Amino acid sequence: AQSVAQPEDQVNVAEGNPLTVKCTYSVSGNPYLFWYVQYPNRGLQFLLKYITGDNLVKGSYGFEAEFNKSQTSFHLKKPSALVSDSALYFCAVRGVYGGATNKLIFGTGTLLAVQP
Amino acid sequence: DTGVSQNPRHKITKRGQNVTFRCDPISEHNRLYWYRQTLGQGPEFLTYFQNEAQLEKSRLLSDRFSAERPKGSFSTLEIQRTEQGDSAMYLCASSLGGQNNQPQHFGDGTRLSIL
Repeated sequence: AQSVAQPEDQVNVAEGNPLTVKCTYSVSGNPYLFWYVQYPNRGLQFLLKYITGDNLVKGSYGFEAEFNKSQTSFHLKKPSALVSDSALYFCAVRGVYGGATNKLIFGTGTLLAVQP
Repeated sequence: DTGVSQNPRHKITKRGQNVTFRCDPISEHNRLYWYRQTLGQGPEFLTYFQNEAQLEKSRLLSDRFSAERPKGSFSTLEIQRTEQGDSAMYLCASSLGGQNNQPQHFGDGTRLSIL
């Protein structure tokens, strides 16, 4: 069965410092991986995706993510955090195999709090 | 803004009533999805349409739930005989067809509160 784990409920970081939000996945075959951000009372905004190719994926708002197949991880990173990055972040996976479903499986989310 | 549009944004109703939500996807997207999100959780998949065909349904979608996309454009999600446990944010998303690696773009959701 496909699953996603986000081991940290909350990540605290000071403005200007680098940030990492962790994600590990379990899926049959090669995964399609996604990161989304959610602000209060809003829907999810797409940040970036990994499909194939370079393990370092660059996305919106200066975010990037590193795909590591051996560790089955897809951690979200940003070199310098902004207060405005404070939000709820979700990792999601879609399995790629014969008769693949189109649904995304989401983690439980990580609340990022950036202190000024 | 031509993003995914959901109406209403909030719905408060008494237990046992029927409710219907509407989703207008991004115009060129032929795939449409419904998810449910409860407090402190990630979205959970409910159902998926490609054009007007409903191709996948979650076991979460009990017989009180029905979704339609009659002309392959907007979609409706109806909940009959609402229960307390139906209180949640209902999210709609859409994506381009053809390639299964296209990201899903979400609306701002309809928050349902059952009294």
